[in-house]
Amino acid sequence: QKEVEQNSGPLSVPEGAIASLNCTYSDRGSQSFFWYRQYSGKSPELIMFIYSNGDKEDGRFTAQLNKASQYVSLLIRDSQPSDSATYLCAVNVGGGGNKLTFGTGTQLKVEL
Amino acid sequence: DVKVTQSSRYLVKRTGEKVFLECVQDMDHENMFWYRQDPGLGLRLIYFSYDVKMKEKGDIPEGYSVSREKKERFSLILESASTNQTSMYLCASHGGGTDTQYFGPGTRLTVL
Repeated sequence: QKEVEQNSGPLSVPEGAIASLNCTYSDRGSQSFFWYRQYSGKSPELIMFIYSNGDKEDGRFTAQLNKASQYVSLLIRDSQPSDSATYLCAVNVGGGGNKLTFGTGTQLKVEL
Repeated sequence: DVKVTQSSRYLVKRTGEKVFLECVQDMDHENMFWYRQDPGLGLRLIYFSYDVKMKEKGDIPEGYSVSREKKERFSLILESASTNQTSMYLCASHGGGTDTQYFGPGTRLTVL
């Protein structure tokens, strides 16, 4: 069973702090990794993707990948109340059709 | 921008009814997906299609079928709706050199 695991939270951080969201995956053949944000009642929207070990930065967001540890994380700097949402980690294990396996998501709450 | 649309945002059906959920994408993507999302279970893949008239089962295909007669349209069919199929249904598409899947707005289906 190919699994992607996330802590369900909620993770509460004060406004302006760094939020750290974590994800582990079981399939060592996983090739690409995605972070989606999902507001309540809405569909997931892509924040970032990462393919290679190390860090990838995009504005206030940084994705970190460590394939040896089978671990991917998302850092959100200067957290804002508008960042309050559920964050889904998704993994592409290869093969045809770009199938993704999703974690159950971590709920983030940014408090004033 | 990629646009994925779904035929209904909210749908209420009765047990035993045949239900059609429609998804249309406007970016000529090869791959299309149907998921359901339930609290605590995350996004689970029902079926996907990598070409017209081609389909593959996902993780939870039981009770569902799909149809892809045209590249832009992917339909999910509940042959005989049951109460345990009450869920949020999300369609996604991928292709054309994009890195990830793009989601439609979702259909919240209630089966009474």
